[in-house]
This record gives sequence, C-alpha cells and structure tokens, in this order.
Amino acid sequence: DAGVTQSPTHLIKTRGQQVTLRCSPKSGHDTVSWYQQALGQGPQFIFQYYEEEERQRGNFPDRFSGHQFPNYSSELNVNALLLGDSALYLCASSYGETQYFGPGTRLLVL
Amino acid sequence: AQKITQTQPGMFVQEKEAVTLDCTYDTSDQSYGLFWYKQPSSGEMIFLIYQGSYDEQNATEGRYSLNFQKARKSANLVISASQLGDSAMYFCAMREGFGFGNEKLTFGTGTRLTIIP
Repeated sequence: DAGVTQSPTHLIKTRGQQVTLRCSPKSGHDTVSWYQQALGQGPQFIFQYYEEEERQRGNFPDRFSGHQFPNYSSELNVNALLLGDSALYLCASSYGETQYFGPGTRLLVL
Repeated sequence: AQKITQTQPGMFVQEKEAVTLDCTYDTSDQSYGLFWYKQPSSGEMIFLIYQGSYDEQNATEGRYSLNFQKARKSANLVISASQLGDSAMYFCAMREGFGFGNEKLTFGTGTRLTIIP
C-alpha cells in the first residue's frame, strides 16, 4: 500500500517565478492538507482540500493557491516567489482523525 | 500565547533508556486531539501516536505511550527502551475541535532527540 507521495523532491527557483508542487494521497484517503516548514521550525498549515474544494485555510497570502482533482491528488501553486518561501512543503492525507505525511518537497528560492 | 509548547530543544539519551519528551498545549475547546510525529533527517513526518481529549486511557503504540494530563494541559511522549533509530526531531501537534472543517494541525517547535550508543 503506497503512502503519500510528493513531486518533485527538490526544486530551485528564482524570485518572482511561479512553482507547482504535487501530491498523491494514501490509498483510500479523500482529504489533502498542505504545510510549510521553514528551517528549524514546526510545520505551518497552509490549506486543506476535500471534495475538490478548499475547506480550511491558514494564515498565508493569496499567492498560495491549490487544487484537488477527482482522484483526490492535489497541487500547491505559489506565485511571485519570495526568498522567504524557501522551505520544506509537506503534504498530508487523511480519512478520519490522523494525517499521514509525504516526504516533502524542498523548495529553494534564489 | 503559544498553542503548543515544547520546552526541550534537544535531548541526549543513552541507548536502551526510557525518554520523556514534554509537550504542553493551550486551548479553550473541550474537544481536541493531540498527536506526536517523528521527523528523521530525510524530512518525512511519521505519525507515532494520537490522544483524544475525551479518551480516558493514555494512548499506547508499541514502545510509545502518551502521558496525558488534561488538568495540566500536558501530553508528554514516553519512548521506552530507546534505540539508535529513534534519533530524530519529534513534534507535538494539536487539532482543536472535531468534525468538518476543523482538521488543521498546529505544531510545536520540536525536540531533537539523540540516542547515544
């Protein structure tokens, strides 16, 4: 049973560019959440998708947007990248109480 | 106020000893859930254990147990018989409220655990 998968594993972008990160949930899971983890900190909640709609959102600007597809996979899009967007981006899937995380995408903005 | 507080930035423990990682939380909700995750250097967050606010028994999962003291708002993780593979960052997290639209996890700053052979 495959766990949560994310792509790409690493990404380097320059300021002002746009980036798309992808996530496939664990089999049987219908809810996907995205988190940003800056170096040395705990993850911060970005938003959550359920039934292809954004269900809950954290304190992140509109530059951060997402999408969920009918197969429950999800994308995170970040526009107009800033140096401060450099972080590990974690996707988590759930069906019920517990969220299971993927390996993350490390984004470096130069 | 911090929602989740982990006061131990780093801990060193001898192999085979038990270790307690501290976590205190702050919420006005009656219904909430508490989680512990392990994050090795690879970056993946690995779920360890869950405790619901209405659970009367402390949660246990193999070598992991959660010492839940509701009145003190603490949810400490206890690892028995530590192993070298336990070396990692450990995060305490909370979900406030239950039900639709209340699934956001709030994390602490983590504790780096190092097991010494």
